[in-house]
Amino acid sequence: GAVVSQHPSWVICKSGTSVKIECRSLDFQATTMFWYRQFPKQSLMLMATSNEGSKATYEQGVEKDKFLINHASLTLSTLTVTSAHPEDSSFYICSGTDSYEQYFGPGTRLTVT
Amino acid sequence: AQRVTQPEKLLSVFKGAPVELKCNYSYSGSPELFWYVQYSRQRLQLLLRHISRESIKGFTADLNKGETSFHLKKPFAQEEDSAMYYCALYNFNKFYFGSGTKLNVKP
Repeated sequence: GAVVSQHPSWVICKSGTSVKIECRSLDFQATTMFWYRQFPKQSLMLMATSNEGSKATYEQGVEKDKFLINHASLTLSTLTVTSAHPEDSSFYICSGTDSYEQYFGPGTRLTVT
Repeated sequence: AQRVTQPEKLLSVFKGAPVELKCNYSYSGSPELFWYVQYSRQRLQLLLRHISRESIKGFTADLNKGETSFHLKKPFAQEEDSAMYYCALYNFNKFYFGSGTKLNVKP
C-alpha cells in the first residue's frame, strides 16, 4: 500500500523557536494532504487541509500564522510551528490522499520546553 | 455541522465474544463513513469504508441512515483485534474523526 513518511519522528525544542515537520508521500502523488493534532488519549483534530500549489485551508481556531503549511509538490508538505510554546507540545500527524484513500504518516512528537 | 460520536472510550470483551463498536454521526447530506484502526505503536490505517460494503478481518459495518449510525461489528473477537478504533466521516475533502474506542480483547 501507499506510504506516508514524517520527519522528524520526535523533536524537542526550546520555547520561542520554530520547528519544521515534513510529510512525504513516498510512492504516490498526494493531491491533498491533511495535518492533524492529537492530544494524549484523545482523537485526531484536523488542523488544516492543503492542496499542492495553493494556500492551506485552516480549521476554525487554528492560527494560520503560527502553524505555517507549505505544499510545494505532490509528494511533500511541511508544517512549521513558529515561536513554539509549551502548549504546542503534541503529536502531529499528517496524511495524504490520492482521492481514493487516506494514508497516514507515523506522526511527530513535539515537546516544547 | 458534521460530528462523529463514539460513546465508548473503552470496550473490553473476551476472546470469541461478539463485539460492536458504536458510531453515530450528524450530517445532513449523504455521508461517506469509514472505520480506521490503530494498533499499538503503529500508524492509523483504513479498516473499511461503507461504500465498499466489505468485510475486513471479519469486521463489518452497516450504514443506518435512519439512526445515523455506522456501528462496527465482529461476531467473534480475537486478541489481535485489540487496538484503537476511530470512526470517521468524509465531507468536502475533509475527514472528521470520532474520539475513538479502545478495544481490549481478553484471552
